[in-house]
Amino acid sequence: DADVTQTPRNRITKTGKRIMLECSQTKGHDRMYWYRQDPGLGLRLIYYSFDVKDINKGEISDGYSVSRQAQAKFSLSLESAIPNQTALYFCATSDSSHSSYEQYFGPGTRLTVT
Amino acid sequence: SQKIEQNSEALNIQEGKTATLTCNYTNYSPAYLQWYRQDPGRGPVFLLLIRENEKEKRKERLKVTFDTTLKQSLFHITASQPADSATYLCALENAGNMLTFGGGTRLMVKP
Repeated sequence: DADVTQTPRNRITKTGKRIMLECSQTKGHDRMYWYRQDPGLGLRLIYYSFDVKDINKGEISDGYSVSRQAQAKFSLSLESAIPNQTALYFCATSDSSHSSYEQYFGPGTRLTVT
Repeated sequence: SQKIEQNSEALNIQEGKTATLTCNYTNYSPAYLQWYRQDPGRGPVFLLLIRENEKEKRKERLKVTFDTTLKQSLFHITASQPADSATYLCALENAGNMLTFGGGTRLMVKP
């Protein structure tokens, strides 16, 4: 089983709809992240969480919100989706006690807003 | 402003040759730099980390260099194979162990 899972894997939604993307991990990591990826722009950080009670905005948080329901679960919401939020969304985790600081990514959610 | 540059054009090389990818940055002083591999439709996978006080790091056929004066990292794959074809992302530490990613370079290794 994958260590970091994301649901759904693909989603098409209409402008103005609320949508939630979910991320779960079995790695026992304390830190979790949400990124979006657009062609040629690399990964951009939306929100991150260092533990259940710690939520922080990233580079591009406008139009998004998150919830850290448990150490293993971190969800991303688009309150009112707009077409320029069409992108590939990745959840990632890391272990603050690990000196390599590597991040482990989920398989991604392809979101299309029409 | 802070900026990370990776060649957006695909790098095409012949199998067996050494692939060299470049990551340049400005207005950063990262404590470390990481390289990730990303295959189509998948999330990035961590490959290597190199710290600011290290000039070179190796792992099997991979080698990374880090020149903090030039503000550049080079990523080498020796004896490249078609299976090495992917997009490679560099990521810089940006305060508090957060990462900022470059746009990635696509590598195509032809048999």
